Amino acid sequence: GIQVEQSPPDLILQEGANSTLRCNFSDSVNNLQWFHQNPWGQLINLFYIPSGTKQNGRLSATTVATERYSLLYISSSQTTDSGVYFCAVGPRSGNQFYFGTGTSLTVIP
Amino acid sequence: EAGVAQSPRYKIIEKRQSVAFWCNPISGHATLYWYQQILGQGPKLLIQFQNNGVVDDSQLPKDRFSAERLKGVDSTLKIQPAKLEDSAVYLCASSLDRRHEQFFGPGTRLTVL
Repeated sequence: GIQVEQSPPDLILQEGANSTLRCNFSDSVNNLQWFHQNPWGQLINLFYIPSGTKQNGRLSATTVATERYSLLYISSSQTTDSGVYFCAVGPRSGNQFYFGTGTSLTVIP
Repeated sequence: EAGVAQSPRYKIIEKRQSVAFWCNPISGHATLYWYQQILGQGPKLLIQFQNNGVVDDSQLPKDRFSAERLKGVDSTLKIQPAKLEDSAVYLCASSLDRRHEQFFGPGTRLTVL
């Protein structure tokens, strides 16, 4: 199956700082999503972004499908941004959907 | 619009017992997914339904796990008999159609003793 690698695995930020999370994948995809898993385990949709750039408030994402990576930008981080961020992809061939190992973000006041 | 509903939220059983989880997807969503998330890992897709037909169950341990989606709406996932390594959160998701944005329910946390 497709390999999905996220970096960094762990990140600690001061409130107000900016950060960039990266997702690399090993094959062509036609589905890519970013999720935030909050401390209660709920997976919250951030972006559906198989290609291009999107922005939603303090968050933005860019996927360069030809180079097989996606970036999630968090600006002016807040303590409520803490949690695990997952990238997940669906390959062009097949029906599976693969999650990365996640980036655990802690924002300290 | 109501989200994906799951029940129960928590379940504790002893090994070799059976357990069932229920999922109600977002209204109008044709595709339904069951995932297993072990602590510290990303979710793993177990089975995908398109309406009431199975699209992919390549990762489902079929000797003990089964799932059905009668009438193409609600779905149940069953484990029989449970093993210690089945302790995990079981997540249900749905999407309008295959390869569309998926939306997740709150999950069922299973502990097998």
